[in-house]
Amino acid sequence: KAGVTQTPRYLIKTRGQQVTLSCSPISGHRSVSWYQQTPGQGLQFLFEYFSETQRNKGNFPGRFSGRQFSNSRSEMNVSTLELGDSALYLCASNLQPTDTQYFGPGTRLTVL
Amino acid sequence: KNEVEQSPQNLTAQEGEFITINCSYSVGISALHWLQQHPGGGIVSLFMLSSGKKKHGRLIATINIQEKHSSLHITASHPRDSAVYICAVVGGGADGLTFGKGTHLIIQP
Repeated sequence: KAGVTQTPRYLIKTRGQQVTLSCSPISGHRSVSWYQQTPGQGLQFLFEYFSETQRNKGNFPGRFSGRQFSNSRSEMNVSTLELGDSALYLCASNLQPTDTQYFGPGTRLTVL
Repeated sequence: KNEVEQSPQNLTAQEGEFITINCSYSVGISALHWLQQHPGGGIVSLFMLSSGKKKHGRLIATINIQEKHSSLHITASHPRDSAVYICAVVGGGADGLTFGKGTHLIIQP
């Protein structure tokens, strides 16, 4: 069974631009979560989706948004990029929100 | 807000040693995860537990709900165990997972 895939793997943007990251969960998994990892703050929870509905949202500004499609694929969008948004963005999927999560390889975003 | 503390932050040991990594949290939780992250970023979920003890190969995870404390043990450590080990908790008033800062483990041959 294929694992969680994330595209693109690397991305360079400039301040003020917006970016969209994509996550394809393991086949059959209906829950997708997004995380941000930086050297200073470590791993932080962004949001969780289950069956196209946002179940939980972390403490991030409204510039960070996401959605989940009927095939369980998920996207997250960051608008008006800031230097501090440079990070590794990870997504994870599971069958149900309370099950073990399987992580993707991440998208490394650099904001110049 | 749940505060998740891990110790030690860094640990260097010799191959074959018994390793213990600790995690404590401030507010009651519904579950605790132990994750492993290798250089390059990939994260693997090792355990998810809400009580007692779990074992997988050379790895053992325990949790004491009353004391708000969990430990990850590695027996007969090997250089391939070198990674960052991260504790994360579910619940305790926060949405989603709340993570510890991680323990950088290096096993020398």
